[in-house]
This record gives sequence, structure tokens and C-alpha cells, in this order.
Amino acid sequence: GAVVSQHPSWVICKSGTSVKIECRSLDFQATTMFWYRQFPKQSLMLMATSNEGSKATYEQGVEKDKFLINHASLTLSTLTVTSAHPEDSSFYICSARDQDRGLIMGNQPQHFGDGTRLSIL
Amino acid sequence: ELKVEQNPLFLSMQEGKNYTIYCNYSTTSDRLYWYRQDPGKSLESLFVLLSNGAVKQEGRLMASLDTKARLSTLHITAAVHDLSATYFCAVVKGALGGAQKLVFGQGTRLTINP
Repeated sequence: GAVVSQHPSWVICKSGTSVKIECRSLDFQATTMFWYRQFPKQSLMLMATSNEGSKATYEQGVEKDKFLINHASLTLSTLTVTSAHPEDSSFYICSARDQDRGLIMGNQPQHFGDGTRLSIL
Repeated sequence: ELKVEQNPLFLSMQEGKNYTIYCNYSTTSDRLYWYRQDPGKSLESLFVLLSNGAVKQEGRLMASLDTKARLSTLHITAAVHDLSATYFCAVVKGALGGAQKLVFGQGTRLTINP
């Protein structure tokens, strides 16, 4: 089955540090990837849609300059949390859409990474 | 704006009992997903429902979709402790092949007691 690898799985760092999270589709090409944030005991909230070769589309209320997204290849998207502060501590989850297979099957599923737990001290 | 609401948000039940989780959504969509999340983990895909009247079953879980009522249900039969988790429904916003995104419900935290 389709696999999405997310790295690192856990980060603890000091306030003011920038943190980069990687999301890779291992066995399929993903022109579109998604970045979600989940606070404890809450649902997943979409932060942005990452498009290969073009700018990401951010959801309302998400700071573009704080959460930098780069999708330079068909298998890799990165999210950089710049100058992270304690309020940025959260569980960040990426997903990748298997577009080609999905169009054939008619459902275009998203495959989720294992998540990155970010703790800012 | 697409809104997805789950009910109940918390559910504690005994092993062997049956129960249903409900997922209502506010605008038309062509796909609905059910996911399971264990504590500290990411999402595990359970079901995708593509059409009105669709029903899918896997083990003790069965999901159905009524697009006219904009309602999906996740039914648990003869619950076992291993099914304890948080269950999310998610509805697709946008057309197939175009710009799409998932809108998630609040989640239902299910605890099954021996």
C-alpha cells in the first residue's frame, strides 16, 4: 500500500528555533500534499495545501511567513516552523494524495504520515 | 462553508454492546472517510464512502452514507477493548481531480470497558 514517511517523529527545542519537518511519499508521486496541525484532544485542522512546483495554499489564519512550505519534488514536501514559540507546540501531520491511482479508482485517497510531535520550551 | 459534526464526542461503553457514531455535514460532497486514531499516533484509514446508500464493513465496524440526509454512521457491533480509539469522519470539499481538501469532524473518543 501507499506509504508516507514523516520525519522527525519528535522534536523538542528552545523557543526561537526554526524546525523543519519532512514528508515523503515513498512509492507514489504526489503533486499535492497537505499539512495539518492537531492540538491535544482536538481534531485535525488543515494548515496548507502544498503543490509541487508552485506556492502553497494556506488556510485562513495560518501565517505564511511563520510556516514555510516547500514542495520541490513529486515525493517531498517540507514544513519549516520559523522562530518557534511554545504556542506552536502541537502534533503536525502531513498527507499525500495519490492522484493518479485515485483518479482511476475514483476516490483520490490521502495517505497520512505518522506525525511529528513538536514541543517548544 | 463546509462543517462536519460528529455525535457523540465521547462514548464509554462495555464490551459486547453495540453503538453508533453519527457524522453530519453541511454541504454536498462526493466522498466521506472514516479514520481511527490511537493516542499519540497518526490516522489509520478505515472506510471511504463514495455514493448514496454505500455501506462498508470491516470486522465489527460498519459504515454507511446517506447523501440526501448528509449523514454517515459508523456502527460498532459487539465492541471489544481493542476498538478503543478516537474516530474521525472527514468530508471532501472540492471536485474530483481539482483542488480538494478534507474537512474533519471533531472526533469521537471511544472507550470500551471490559
